[in-house]
Amino acid sequence: DVVMTQSPLSLPVTLGQPASISCRSSQGLVYSDGNTYLNWFQQRPGQSPRRLIYRVSNRDSGVPDRFSGSGSGTDFTLQISRVEAEDVGVYYCMQGTHWPFTFGGGTKVEIK
Amino acid sequence: QVHLQQSGPGLVKPSETLSLTCTVSGASVSSYYWSWIRQPPGKGLEWIGYIYHSGDTKQNPSLKSRVTLSIDTSKNQFSLKMNSVTAADTAVYYCARTTREPGPWGQGTLVTVSS
Repeated sequence: DVVMTQSPLSLPVTLGQPASISCRSSQGLVYSDGNTYLNWFQQRPGQSPRRLIYRVSNRDSGVPDRFSGSGSGTDFTLQISRVEAEDVGVYYCMQGTHWPFTFGGGTKVEIK
Repeated sequence: QVHLQQSGPGLVKPSETLSLTCTVSGASVSSYYWSWIRQPPGKGLEWIGYIYHSGDTKQNPSLKSRVTLSIDTSKNQFSLKMNSVTAADTAVYYCARTTREPGPWGQGTLVTVSS
């Protein structure tokens, strides 16, 4: 299985400051159709995961533009330009290229 | 707006069969792939499998022999059955639309395996 490694495990951030989460895959994520199926999810306390970013950098409808995704190959990043209180939760990367699809271990974002 | 509503028992005895259903509104189950994902308490997310209305299914090799996925287009719902459950199968189970880019997700069902 493709291993997705996230860092850091925990990310204390001051309100209004930027935050960055790294995700590294054990194999390249380009699928045979040319797309790179790397997604980012936000899971707020007590809620289901919500997709924020798909195919590396495409923001879902309704997701604030302070969230952005980037990367290629095996290294990917989720950035929050200015953290707000509602951004508290656990963030997961997930690869949808190689079966079985796999998730990173999660990064817990909290306010300092 | 697509909405997924999960139903099924929250308590299953060891060695018995876990059964969950996901009812879809706002989309036809004939139009997409549909997935099941689980999250053991305090742990990460694990893919269980996915299904298409044609009967095309794929299960995680780690669970394949115990998992059955089905779809009922007349009720616009899809289902998960997992047999011979143990305490290790205690988790929050989620259904979701599509596979490679899952979303939206159902509300989640905590299934506890205990006698």
